[in-house]
Amino acid sequence: NAGVTQTPKFRILKIGQSMTLQCTQDMNHNYMYWYRQDPGMGLKLIYYSVGAGITDKGEVPNGYNVSRSTTEDFPLRLELAAPSQTSVYFCASKRGETGDSGNTIYFGEGSWLTVV
Amino acid sequence: EDKVVQSPLSLVVHEGDTVTLNCSYEVTNFRSLLWYKQEKKAPTFLFMLTSSGIEKKSGRLSSILDKKELSSILNITATQTGDSAIYLCAEPAGGTSYGKLTFGQGTILTVHP
Repeated sequence: NAGVTQTPKFRILKIGQSMTLQCTQDMNHNYMYWYRQDPGMGLKLIYYSVGAGITDKGEVPNGYNVSRSTTEDFPLRLELAAPSQTSVYFCASKRGETGDSGNTIYFGEGSWLTVV
Repeated sequence: EDKVVQSPLSLVVHEGDTVTLNCSYEVTNFRSLLWYKQEKKAPTFLFMLTSSGIEKKSGRLSSILDKKELSSILNITATQTGDSAIYLCAEPAGGTSYGKLTFGQGTILTVHP
């Protein structure tokens, strides 16, 4: 059972470099999310998608871009990496709306990104 | 803007102790409150509390929702070292149907042998 898979798990970037964090889920979930978690803090929503071709900004979208060309994939793009983007990134997906299982979100294992 | 606040931010106990973690929320259109446990990797789901399900229990963990006080507690009895983790509470932001979560800062629980 793969669930939500993120790559890479660890990455060090230099300031100004670009990279894409990959996220794929095999549960046919409509909703997908990208969160970041800074040390000692809870998770903050960067972008989310309610289906293929539809994306929207979350709480902290600046410096990031996303796309959702398929149900399975939701990559997160950092165009000009900055030290403030040093964080742990979690991709997540959710099936639907009703019932306990519909309201639980499945998380990937995280991507540790350091910008130096 | 929805807000979720947890306390304490950190807690150190010994095995066998009972702990109570707090979560208060200020949200529009309350739908549910979720509790997660995070051990170095992704958060894992513990409980979801709603207006129709204000109390949940699983083994040594239990959680109660107080809609009047806009708060929830997570109790862990007879703590074990394996309970050491960050405990997060979260709620769907603004009562949206999309499940975007607003998280609290988390409580770091450390259980010593």
